Amino acid sequence: DTAVSQTPKYLVTQMGNDKSIKCEQNLGHDTMYWYKQDSKKFLKIMFSYNNKELIINETVPNRFSPKSPDKAHLNLHINSLELGDSAVYFCASSQDGGGGEKLFFGSGTQLSVL
Amino acid sequence: RKEVEQDPGPFNVPEGATVAFNCTYSNSASQSFFWYRQDCRKEPKLLMSVYSSGNEDGRFTAQLNRASQYISLLIRDSKLSDSATYLCVVNNRGGSYIPTFGRGTSLIVHP
Repeated sequence: DTAVSQTPKYLVTQMGNDKSIKCEQNLGHDTMYWYKQDSKKFLKIMFSYNNKELIINETVPNRFSPKSPDKAHLNLHINSLELGDSAVYFCASSQDGGGGEKLFFGSGTQLSVL
Repeated sequence: RKEVEQDPGPFNVPEGATVAFNCTYSNSASQSFFWYRQDCRKEPKLLMSVYSSGNEDGRFTAQLNRASQYISLLIRDSKLSDSATYLCVVNNRGGSYIPTFGRGTSLIVHP
């Protein structure tokens, strides 16, 4: 069973569209994250949720809206997609966000905005 | 100054070589440190945690120097399969812990 799974794996869409990426973890972790990896391979944190509550929001445009219906799921909705949103988006989870534990990543969603 | 800085490389080494990477961090209050490995078009995976006393896992040795604010990764007897990008991760304490990644160092091991 995949520990952290995200869908879709690839997403190709036009500028201005709205799209969602889903993430689920079956590890029983309390904390989930979204990271963006741009063309220069830099992994930048976007959001973090602990037990369904937002705890980190790193200067991300408000076109990006995370939603956590329960602690096993953290979805990412993006409105009015722009060319600069093209990147690989990784979901991750950790035990309790306490800082000492490792991150488990999903396999990534390659988003291409045309 | 970036929070976590790494030399992007690439480091191009022959099989069997010893190679070392450094990573510097700017926040002196950083709490915990890790090395992750990322293969091309794959997700990052934990390679090892980094402790103040230093730690070793097979051919890999990680060290932390709090005074100079850097961590290092040493790979001995490099294998072709070690070719990857090595990401330094620092957990910074704000209101919560923020796992902050460096840009990564690319390693290419050739026959």
